[in-house]
Amino acid sequence: NAGVTQTPKFRVLKTGQSMTLLCAQDMNHEYMYWYRQDPGMGLRLIHYSVGEGTTAKGEVPDGYNVSRLKKQNFLLGLESAAPSQTSVYFCASIARPYRLAGGYNEQFFGPGTRLTVL
Amino acid sequence: QQPVQSPQAVILREGEDAVINCSSSKALYSVHWYRQKHGEAPVFLMILLKGGEQKGHEKISASFNEKKQQSSLYLTASQLSYSGTYFCGTEEVRQAGTALIFGKGTTLSVSS
Repeated sequence: NAGVTQTPKFRVLKTGQSMTLLCAQDMNHEYMYWYRQDPGMGLRLIHYSVGEGTTAKGEVPDGYNVSRLKKQNFLLGLESAAPSQTSVYFCASIARPYRLAGGYNEQFFGPGTRLTVL
Repeated sequence: QQPVQSPQAVILREGEDAVINCSSSKALYSVHWYRQKHGEAPVFLMILLKGGEQKGHEKISASFNEKKQQSSLYLTASQLSYSGTYFCGTEEVRQAGTALIFGKGTTLSVSS
């Protein structure tokens, strides 16, 4: 089991360029999340998905789009990158949250993607 | 809305104890605690469930007060390996599903 993987690990973009971050999980998890981490801000939720073909906005969705065409993959897109999107991006997945699962479920994180927008 | 963590930072010597607090303005179903080492992904420590059950780490304990909507993480006899940033996460129920919302983190530095 690879767990949660993210591609790429590092990327440098110029303002206005576009890119897609790929998250893949092999645990058959229903829920997947994209977070961004900035110094002093913690982990902030960008978008999430509760199943194949579904997506929803999180706390900081502006400037990002997502797609979940396959259960195991969750893509995060930046259509026109801005310096404010310089951050470390983490993907995470969980089988089902506790409230629905009625039991203990751990959320697994990918290794992160460090993105710099110049 | 992010849960609020306190303190923002803690500096300890090996063997000392620390308490990290997490509070929310919303009703809590569960509280998750994670630790992140510099340059790495957050790693699960424990989960506290409504009703008092908890699952997780051997040497780190936590409490969950549903009425006060608070959780505290207790690190006793700290070791160098405890250094890192600790995050609490709370499950929020939204129209489109459930999401884990994290606090801003507490940085713990343990020295010898």
